[in-house]
Amino acid sequence: GAVVSQHPSWVICKSGTSVKIECRSLDFQATTMFWYRQFPKQSLMLMATSNEGSKATYEQGVEKDKFLINHASLTLSTLTVTSAHPEDSSFYICSARIAGSYNEQFFGPGTRLTVL
Amino acid sequence: GIQVEQSPPDLILQEGANSTLRCNFSDSVNNLQWFHQNPWGQLINLFYIPSGTKQNGRLSATTVATERYSLLYISSSQTTDSGVYFCAVGSSYKLIFGSGTRLLVRP
Repeated sequence: GAVVSQHPSWVICKSGTSVKIECRSLDFQATTMFWYRQFPKQSLMLMATSNEGSKATYEQGVEKDKFLINHASLTLSTLTVTSAHPEDSSFYICSARIAGSYNEQFFGPGTRLTVL
Repeated sequence: GIQVEQSPPDLILQEGANSTLRCNFSDSVNNLQWFHQNPWGQLINLFYIPSGTKQNGRLSATTVATERYSLLYISSSQTTDSGVYFCAVGSSYKLIFGSGTRLLVRP
């Protein structure tokens, strides 16, 4: 149980385009989902917390207009990287917390974004 | 905010050896998780352990919340144990990750 999927697993795009990443909880409902970013050989950094039906809460230093987050249902959150540039190239990972449960988070397999 | 420190940063073991990874944190927490990140980047949940001791096969973990540290024990290591081990803690719904321990198990 507690499986989280992400799509796509990798994407290459041209500078200036927008890219959407989907995060789904497959076998549970998630009122709260999280988006992280990981650079090579570094740790995970929390970008934003996404609550179903409300606006996302962004961490300090994360541009909300650059990284659009939508959590339209209890099983789906999306991250859109708008007007992507090479410095946005990174590994993006989502996680989800089971609704009504304790604090344990379950992570998706990640999406590797390369912006040319 | 909460600070998380993991040690050692790098560890090389011969297959069959045992090891202990440590996670220190700077404040009270109600969430502590250990993860193994495999070579493809997937984070695998090892333990949810804000306090106490748990065991799962060759792995076990202990968190002493009052002293603000957690230990992950790996016994009889195998080459498939290689990867990065992360400790992550939180006092709300958010998780703060340590910098990880990079483990290489040699055959």
